[in-house]
Amino acid sequence: DGGITQSPKYLFRKEGQNVTLSCEQNLNHDAMYWYRQDPGQGLRLIYYSQIVNDFQKGDIAEGYSVSREKKESFPLTVTSAQKNPTAFYLCASRTSGTSDTQYFGPGTRLTVL
Amino acid sequence: GDSVTQMEGPVTLSEEAFLTINCTYTATGYPSLFWYVQYPGEGLQLLLKATKADDKGSNKGFEATYRKETTSFHLEKGSVQVSDSAVYFCALLMFSGGYNKLIFGAGTRLAVHP
Repeated sequence: DGGITQSPKYLFRKEGQNVTLSCEQNLNHDAMYWYRQDPGQGLRLIYYSQIVNDFQKGDIAEGYSVSREKKESFPLTVTSAQKNPTAFYLCASRTSGTSDTQYFGPGTRLTVL
Repeated sequence: GDSVTQMEGPVTLSEEAFLTINCTYTATGYPSLFWYVQYPGEGLQLLLKATKADDKGSNKGFEATYRKETTSFHLEKGSVQVSDSAVYFCALLMFSGGYNKLIFGAGTRLAVHP
């Protein structure tokens, strides 16, 4: 089945550690996105990538980093510089051209202990 | 700046009741509008969308009409089921800064009881 997978579903991290969240898609989509969701709030954009080997900061990029070495993969690293990393992280993708619909993965819940 | 405002939840209804979740937006230009649904512990699923004024999006008994004159995109369903219990997000899509940017409302939690 085509879709977006995120792993792990739950992740625990000690303060001061970096952690990498996985996002893979087999939809052949060019654009990929990372969002952060906090309780009672909408989603906020962390980073996005429109093509391989290119990515741009979103609205809340501080303390995060990404890479886009393959079309299928867009991992997000939450660094120790992120002051409040506990949140639900969602990855999305979109095909190129005139399509305007983003499709979301199931999410990863990160908890910093 | 561009923004989306949704009615605050939770919205609590009995099964088979009529549902309305209000959504209004502020945007320059003519954005595409979306409703996404999030079930507990899951990602967002696209529910419906509309790309221009007076378009009606519909799916699974839900519908919403793009009203440019009132800058609204209210979600409606004639008869809700317990399985519709979820959080609903209204969003607009704008082309800004060289990319397509989705702007979300805060979400409205719907609880349907038997």
